[in-house]
Order: sequence, then structure tokens, then C-alpha cells
Amino acid sequence: QITVKESGPALVKPTQTLTLTCSFSGFSLSTDTVGVGWIRQPPGKALEWLALIYWNDDKRYSPSLKTRLTITKDTSKNQVVLTMTHMDPVDTGTYYCAHRDGWGPGYFDYWGQGTLVTVSS
Amino acid sequence: QSVLTQPPSVSGAPGQRVTISCAGSSSNIGIGYDVLWYQQFPGSAPRLLIYDNNNRPSGVPDRFSGSKSGTSASLAITGLQAEDEADYYCQSYDNSLSAYVFGTGTKVTVL
Repeated sequence: QITVKESGPALVKPTQTLTLTCSFSGFSLSTDTVGVGWIRQPPGKALEWLALIYWNDDKRYSPSLKTRLTITKDTSKNQVVLTMTHMDPVDTGTYYCAHRDGWGPGYFDYWGQGTLVTVSS
Repeated sequence: QSVLTQPPSVSGAPGQRVTISCAGSSSNIGIGYDVLWYQQFPGSAPRLLIYDNNNRPSGVPDRFSGSKSGTSASLAITGLQAEDEADYYCQSYDNSLSAYVFGTGTKVTVL
């Protein structure tokens, strides 16, 4: 079965760069139509999509955060890495990675448990 | 800054039917992109509830149903149960933004 799990620092300082890793099993990122996305959720607020990487290395980013985000994949390790530069306290929240399926934009059908990131000095 | 608008809360007694609306625009739902619905309990990750507007993944009770019309979509819960008390989010894709967009979220309370 498909599982995904996020890992990364729980605390980062303002202006620092955040690096999060999504480790997954049960699927391969070299299989057609497969993708892995990142979504975040500030405390008490709505979900916000951040980035997505497809099996063919096509990458998509949230337009409002595009200049700060980089998403990469390591197919051999079954991992996807998201980096976010210039972290600010407003970036505090739970960060989720999720398996993307379906045709067209598709949907996120398997989610990790999330990792809480706090931005504070 | 959510592109899709949902009511902040809806409530109903056990056994009742409740609906959650998701208002979009001509650059997302209205242009034909599918609507997804997620259920989220406090402290837990979202769970896919409805995909491709009205399809349920395996394991989702048939009391949950989705529909889409024009620039809006709806999630209906029939035979409301105490265990349905959670937050619900709609999601689609926006052509103008070239981005996946989520709704503002709706808290369902079972009275």
C-alpha cells in the first residue's frame, strides 16, 4: 500500500532556508502520471498548495511562493525534497506531502501525517 | 487568499442531511476542472473523500456525495453521524493561476 512521510526541522529561524523530505513507498516516481505534492496548513487555517513534481520531472509551483520554492526528486531513494528560502514567522504551520493521482491536474489521495514547522528566533 | 469559498460552518442533528457549498469561478470549477473534497479531523492529515466531482474512494461511506454545477460544487452528507464532525475542504485547479486551489474550509458540527 502507499505510504508517505514527511521529515524535517521542527524549528527554523527567520531568513533561514527550510528543507523538507518526503519519503514514500508503494509507488514509483518513474511511473507515468504519478506525482508528489506539498501542501501546508497554518495553525487554524486552510490548506495551501505549494508545489508538485511529476514522474517526468515536470515541476509546478504556487505562483505566490514560486521564487522561494524548489522541488526535486530522487527516484532511487523514493524521496522528494522541498526547499523554501527566506522563512518568515507567517510560514509557521504543518507541511504535508501527498501522492498525486488521476488525469489532468488530478487529486491528492494519500497524505503523510504532516510535520509541524515553527519559524521563530 | 483561498480562491474557493465555503461557509465557515454547518451543523445538523444526527440523521439529518447537510450540504457544504464550494463557490469558484470561470477559471477553475466553471471551466470544467474537477472538484475534490477532503475530510480533516483535528490534529490529523486530510483524507480524500470525493474525487472527480462525485466519486468516492474505497472505504468512504455512501452517505457522502458530491455534485458540481456551473462555477460551484457541493458536498452532501446524508444520515449525519457524530463521527462526521470534522473540517471539510474542497479543491480544484485554477487555470489563471496555474495552481491547485483549496477552499476556505467548513467545520461540520453534529448537534
